[in-house]
Amino acid sequence: GENVEQHPSTLSVQEGDSAVIKCTYSDSASNYFPWYKQELGKRPQLIIDIRSNVGEKKDQRIAVTLNKTAKHFSLHITETQPEDSAVYFCAASSGSGGGADGLTFGKGTHLIIQP
Amino acid sequence: GAGVSQSPSNKVTEKGKDVELRCDPISGHTALYWYRQSLGQGLEFLIYFQGNSAPDKSGLPSDRFSAERTGGSVSTLTIQRTQQEDSAVYLCASSLGTGTTGELFFGEGSRLTVL
Repeated sequence: GENVEQHPSTLSVQEGDSAVIKCTYSDSASNYFPWYKQELGKRPQLIIDIRSNVGEKKDQRIAVTLNKTAKHFSLHITETQPEDSAVYFCAASSGSGGGADGLTFGKGTHLIIQP
Repeated sequence: GAGVSQSPSNKVTEKGKDVELRCDPISGHTALYWYRQSLGQGLEFLIYFQGNSAPDKSGLPSDRFSAERTGGSVSTLTIQRTQQEDSAVYLCASSLGTGTTGELFFGEGSRLTVL
């Protein structure tokens, strides 16, 4: 099955600086890579996703890059703000629909924005 | 409802008791997932339902855990003879389940504490 590794587990950056979170995956058949944000005490919510037919996707201050050859993808947050403080989860899916063979999550990165 | 609804939001029980956690997915979503999130940890897959197909139970940690989904809508996760290590937040998510992995919509979770 798929194995997703996520680094770092904790990331502290100064407000206004950029943050980068990296994930690697093992299954070359994976073709869908979402990122979820979970604020303290809240539910995880999708913030951006990318499919394997593109190498980069941007949405305002957030971007995701995908390197299929190296089997890694990254989340980039620019001009970080206090509200960006949260746990971020990457995931990978081969598109089989769900269950243990579907979406596999990384262990999460706790992003701390220092004022 | 507008989103995924879970109940109870908090449950404190004594070791050895049985508990039932309920999930009401978004109307029209055929895919339903249960995840477990221990303190500071990632999202551990438990079970997946897709339409009328047999559920994927491969993530259930022991035979004390079971889940049902009646009428393709509401799901109940049952934990029998609870143990202290069962203490965690149990998250339910639903998605359209059209065959291609897409956005998961999570509920707020049920926080289980086993004394």
